[in-house]
Amino acid sequence: DQQVKQNSPSLSVQEGRISILNCDYTNSMFDYFLWYKKYPAEGPTFLISISSIKDKNEDGRFTVFLNKSAKHLSLHIVPSQPGDSAVYFCAASAHYGGSQGNLIFGKGTKLSVKP
Amino acid sequence: GAVVSQHPSWVICKSGTSVKIECRSLDFQATTMFWYRQFPKQSLMLMATSNEGSKATYEQGVEKDKFLINHASLTLSTLTVTSAHPEDSSFYICSARDMVAGLDTQYFGPGTRLTVL
Repeated sequence: DQQVKQNSPSLSVQEGRISILNCDYTNSMFDYFLWYKKYPAEGPTFLISISSIKDKNEDGRFTVFLNKSAKHLSLHIVPSQPGDSAVYFCAASAHYGGSQGNLIFGKGTKLSVKP
Repeated sequence: GAVVSQHPSWVICKSGTSVKIECRSLDFQATTMFWYRQFPKQSLMLMATSNEGSKATYEQGVEKDKFLINHASLTLSTLTVTSAHPEDSSFYICSARDMVAGLDTQYFGPGTRLTVL
């Protein structure tokens, strides 16, 4: 059973427009969420995170929104740039519930930003 | 942000040999490091959790005797693929857990591409 789901395997956006990547989770024990960006043949790069006590966290062009009641989070990138083209992974952790901080990853969404 | 290195970045070996992959946290101490494996077009799969000074915790289905993990210091964890076979060919990625201001974030290494002939 997939605990973290990224239902869109790919997304194509025009440069300068907003990219919205979505993620759903099923485990109500998750209380910490992260977004990673990954280029082929490289390790994931941490982008932004949010804990369950917040519903929004912003860092430059990246904003993560958390809707706990819907068990849904999204990553907004605005404005989108061609260099943002990569696979984006959503990850969740039940850290504050006492786990070792193990991350559960979604399958990723491949974002393509067209010039 | 925190930097994690992996060595080697790629390795080709013959079937039956052993391969060691190193994971280092360069500018922070990591009591916990993780080892992942990624197959083409699939997500990251957690193989094991490595705690400094203690035995690693392996995920279900991962052979402990095949994938030996050692976390001898706060900045170094190693993964040894013993008696490697072609089906072990994959992209192996480590991450190190950094606790800053109470926030728990994992930083990933660049990955190691293992090809077993």
